[in-house]
Amino acid sequence: DVKVTQSSRYLVKRTGEKVFLECVQDMDHENMFWYRQDPGLGLRLIYFSYDVKMKEKGDIPEGYSVSREKKERFSLILESASTNQTSMYLCASSGQGRYEQYFGPGTRLTVT
Amino acid sequence: AQSVAQPEDQVNVAEGNPLTVKCTYSVSGNPYLFWYVQYPNRGLQFLLKYITGDNLVKGSYGFEAEFNKSQTSFHLKKPSALVSDSALYFCALRGSARQLTFGSGTQLTVLP
Repeated sequence: DVKVTQSSRYLVKRTGEKVFLECVQDMDHENMFWYRQDPGLGLRLIYFSYDVKMKEKGDIPEGYSVSREKKERFSLILESASTNQTSMYLCASSGQGRYEQYFGPGTRLTVT
Repeated sequence: AQSVAQPEDQVNVAEGNPLTVKCTYSVSGNPYLFWYVQYPNRGLQFLLKYITGDNLVKGSYGFEAEFNKSQTSFHLKKPSALVSDSALYFCALRGSARQLTFGSGTQLTVLP
């Protein structure tokens, strides 16, 4: 079974702090994705990566950056957290030529 | 631009009755369509996909979905609902862009 893990289930940070969300997958997947989930809005894509050291902006990249130094790990960075970044953050991965994505359990981030 | 619509925020059904969760899409080119389920405080779980071929797709936990090209729909169905099917369901679309576009989600409640 594909396993996608995220570093924290719940996180509380203060406005202006730098926040790191880590995601690791164990299936040698090429593709990795970061989404945020908000009620009534579904999932919105923040950033994605198709290869190590490669990144592409999704629909809502403002206020976020990412890092992919190793194939199995994809990090989401909030350079200066703001209250409107309070959300559920979901990481996903998929294999080459495979279209379905596999999701981690999510990190519920609260910025106060 | 591609889009996915889930016209019902909430669907209630009695246990043992058939259930339908609706999804319509808009895309240029051939669509790849997916259904995911999310239980409380969990990540999304892949249920089924339509890529090509038979319009009736069978997936996990007894769910199936029917692809209808003329109506641009991909409704999720189950012949007999269980209380344990109560969850949040997302339809997703992959068109010419490699990333998925998600609907806003439908909360399914199965009443005992």
